[in-house]
Amino acid sequence: EVQLVESGGGLVKPGGSLRLSCAASGFTFTNYNMNWVRQAPGKGLEWVSSISSSSSYIYYADSVKGRFTISRDNAKNSLYLQMNSLRAEDRAVYYCARGAYSSSLYHFDYWGQGTLVTVSS
Amino acid sequence: EIVLTQSPGTLSLSPGERATLSCRASQSVSSSYLAWYQQKSGQAPRLFIYGASSRATGIPDRFSGSGSGTDFTLTISRLEPEDFAVYYCQQYGSSPQTFGQGTKLEIK
Repeated sequence: EVQLVESGGGLVKPGGSLRLSCAASGFTFTNYNMNWVRQAPGKGLEWVSSISSSSSYIYYADSVKGRFTISRDNAKNSLYLQMNSLRAEDRAVYYCARGAYSSSLYHFDYWGQGTLVTVSS
Repeated sequence: EIVLTQSPGTLSLSPGERATLSCRASQSVSSSYLAWYQQKSGQAPRLFIYGASSRATGIPDRFSGSGSGTDFTLTISRLEPEDFAVYYCQQYGSSPQTFGQGTKLEIK
């Protein structure tokens, strides 16, 4: 059974940093692109960042470019999101999601339960 | 960036009725790279439809997707109580991939 379990969310002050983790199990992690998608309270879904299976290709939404860094450790079956210079508008539930295909065009076939990030003084 | 507009914002129907949800793109979605997700309150999104019309694993056949180019539809033939939720469309044919704002399907 595919499982994605996020952790690392919490309360942080504006300008602060936070590192999210996503532990994957139930599939061959090294074969899949991975992603972060966020959802502000009461709002819709926003893609944040993607990383290819070997970390060769990395993409970011304009809203987080230069502040967030996605990475993965295939030996640990883990995905990460380093978030720096956090703003109030970064407050959201952050989901880890698996890309369905190994190509560059894919939907998300499995999602974690999410971890809440709150940015407030 | 492709903007997806979903309509209606809220759809109020009764169990047993047919639901038609629309997703319109600001530009053509290449190769019908369009997906639909269901999200229930407090839960993660769940993939329902991909490639505009292919059902994901375990999705009942009362759900169907159709469309191409800029106009896509999710149809639920006969609503069951568990179908009432928020539905999002997503295009993944152009970078950045984008989501619609969602349609809330509520019990009338």
